[in-house]
Amino acid sequence: EAQVTQNPRYLITVTGKKLTVTCSQNMNHEYMSWYRQDPGLGLRQIYYSMNVEVTDKGDVPEGYKVSRKEKRNFPLILESPSPNQTSLYFCASSSLGFYSNQPQHFGDGTRLSIL
Amino acid sequence: AQTVTQSQPEMSVQEAETVTLSCTYDTSESNYYLFWYKQPPSRQMILVIRQEAYKQQNATENRFSVNFQKAAKSFSLKISDSQLGDTAMYFCAFRGLYGGSQGNLIFGKGTKLSVKP
Repeated sequence: EAQVTQNPRYLITVTGKKLTVTCSQNMNHEYMSWYRQDPGLGLRQIYYSMNVEVTDKGDVPEGYKVSRKEKRNFPLILESPSPNQTSLYFCASSSLGFYSNQPQHFGDGTRLSIL
Repeated sequence: AQTVTQSQPEMSVQEAETVTLSCTYDTSESNYYLFWYKQPPSRQMILVIRQEAYKQQNATENRFSVNFQKAAKSFSLKISDSQLGDTAMYFCAFRGLYGGSQGNLIFGKGTKLSVKP
């Protein structure tokens, strides 16, 4: 089954404690992206990757890091989380090029609470 | 930079009636894709319908259809015969085809739709 898998689904942690949200896709997609969703603001892009070892900032990258060492994985790292990073996070993947009319596939979301 | 605007933060409709959600966007590109996503309380992001800008015919998927007005940069979603399961947040999204960010989706802020029995 084609899917994007995010872990964990829920996490409550404290300010300053490094955390990683994992994202994995099994569709051999070149493109992967992280979004955060906040009430009244819709989904805003944090980082994206066009392929292995190619990453770039989205609209709200401050306080986040990513890496793309393998095509299937795109972890989101919060080195020193702060309460303003409390949010719902989504990972997504899609094809590019000729198949770029295909929709992005989304993970089920990760609810992060930073106390 | 592209922007997407959904001017209706909340809407409600009676079951079995028809409702239209508005979306406008701004771009200088001539070819692109537009999408409507549904986010039910389970918070999953579910694709509802998509439209390629080069196609003049409006997309339809069962009870869901769009009114795509390219010159006006408008992309509204019509839901016919509304059902209780249509209760969700709906997001309009734009995807360009060119440049280093060709995969990126630009989202509107969403419209919360409530279907009432």
